[in-house]
Amino acid sequence: SQQGEEDPQALSIQEGENATMNCSYKTSINNLQWYRQNSGRGLVHLILIRSNEREKHSGRLRVTLDTSKKSSSLLITASRAADTASYFCATDAKGSQGNLIFGKGTKLSVKP
Amino acid sequence: NAGVTQTPKFQVLKTGQSMTLQCAQDMNHNSMYWYRQDPGMGLRLIYYSASEGTTDKGEVPNGYNVSRLNKREFSLRLESAAPSQTSVYFCASSVGSGSYNSPLHFGNGTRLTVT
Repeated sequence: SQQGEEDPQALSIQEGENATMNCSYKTSINNLQWYRQNSGRGLVHLILIRSNEREKHSGRLRVTLDTSKKSSSLLITASRAADTASYFCATDAKGSQGNLIFGKGTKLSVKP
Repeated sequence: NAGVTQTPKFQVLKTGQSMTLQCAQDMNHNSMYWYRQDPGMGLRLIYYSASEGTTDKGEVPNGYNVSRLNKREFSLRLESAAPSQTSVYFCASSVGSGSYNSPLHFGNGTRLTVT
């Protein structure tokens, strides 16, 4: 069963614009992680935010977490064509023995 | 610095055939995982190994078996392949026991087609 659900399913923007993807989940979590997957490749870890954190930055990435709404957002600023990929949130639910549950992903297309 | 290596990259099987997917990591990670990825379904956990010598079922274990051969290697076996097992299979590893506060490192996947 899916714990995290990303929104939108697909997003198309121009280079230089910001991209925002959202993730909602159902149960209490220990942490939430975001991953990127380029076509035909494995997933690459981007950022991890713990349940007691509200915001985290890494380069052009900004992640927020609202545990009261059970939601997270990933913002990519000043997007580049190389950011074209699918983005997944994954939650480490309390009581899950630490196993990550992945959402279905947001497919981001950044046009030059 | 290879990270997580999966073999083979591609495989076509006939229904009823068996095969083993191999995975090895060189990062001295304790935990290893097998996921499958299907269109529109995201990634689903098949089996995992929290540490050498232990294995546990994930969300979709039916039709699969695993072996944690040593700390580096974690294999996935399909005893009698079915068309429903057509998928992309990803192996991953992480430092900690389970994935608590520990990012996963993924291989590049094995694309399996069962006809």
